[in-house]
Amino acid sequence: AQTVTQSQPEMSVQEAETVTLSCTYDTSESDYYLFWYKQPPSRQMILVIRQEAYKQQNATENRFSVNFQKAAKSFSLKISDSQLGDAAMYFCAYRSRETSGSRLTFGEGTQLTVNP
Amino acid sequence: DTGVSQNPRHKITKRGQNVTFRCDPISEHNRLYWYRQTLGQGPEFLTYFQNEAQLEKSRLLSDRFSAERPKGSFSTLEIQRTEQGDSAMYLCASSVRQKSNYGYTFGSGTRLTVV
Repeated sequence: AQTVTQSQPEMSVQEAETVTLSCTYDTSESDYYLFWYKQPPSRQMILVIRQEAYKQQNATENRFSVNFQKAAKSFSLKISDSQLGDAAMYFCAYRSRETSGSRLTFGEGTQLTVNP
Repeated sequence: DTGVSQNPRHKITKRGQNVTFRCDPISEHNRLYWYRQTLGQGPEFLTYFQNEAQLEKSRLLSDRFSAERPKGSFSTLEIQRTEQGDSAMYLCASSVRQKSNYGYTFGSGTRLTVV
């Protein structure tokens, strides 16, 4: 079974600065997807960015980018020019492409605080 | 309909009572998922439907839990004889099969408190 680990329960960043959230995962599969989701307080979970394992190029979405290291099974999220609205719980998630079904396996989450 | 709708938003029930939650997915989405999220943890998969067929169930889904998706539209999640350990946020999500790799669209969840 796949597992996802986020070793930073809490992180903080100054507004306009850059922060990196860490995620590692364990799988024996070679084909899969990785995601970062954002969950603001009392609000729904929103997809931030996704990465396909067969693509070597790191995904980028505006101020959000990932550092995908397949051999190391590492998938970190970098938030540049942090804004107050980025404050939320961030979850890393894994989805297999090889097995049937499409369940997501989530990490424990990292609570990000953005200081003005 | 621009999102996944879940009702009720909050539910407080006494231990031993039955509760039922409803999820209305995005209309063109044929896949529907239920997750459970306890405080400070990531969501855990419970079950998923493709159209009206329930294709996968987690071992977390004990015999007190049942989910249905009649006619492949909305879905209900029922918990019988609730226990305090059932207190959690229950999340529903939906996706289109061909685009499920893009991630899901989540609802805002139903927060269950068992007293």
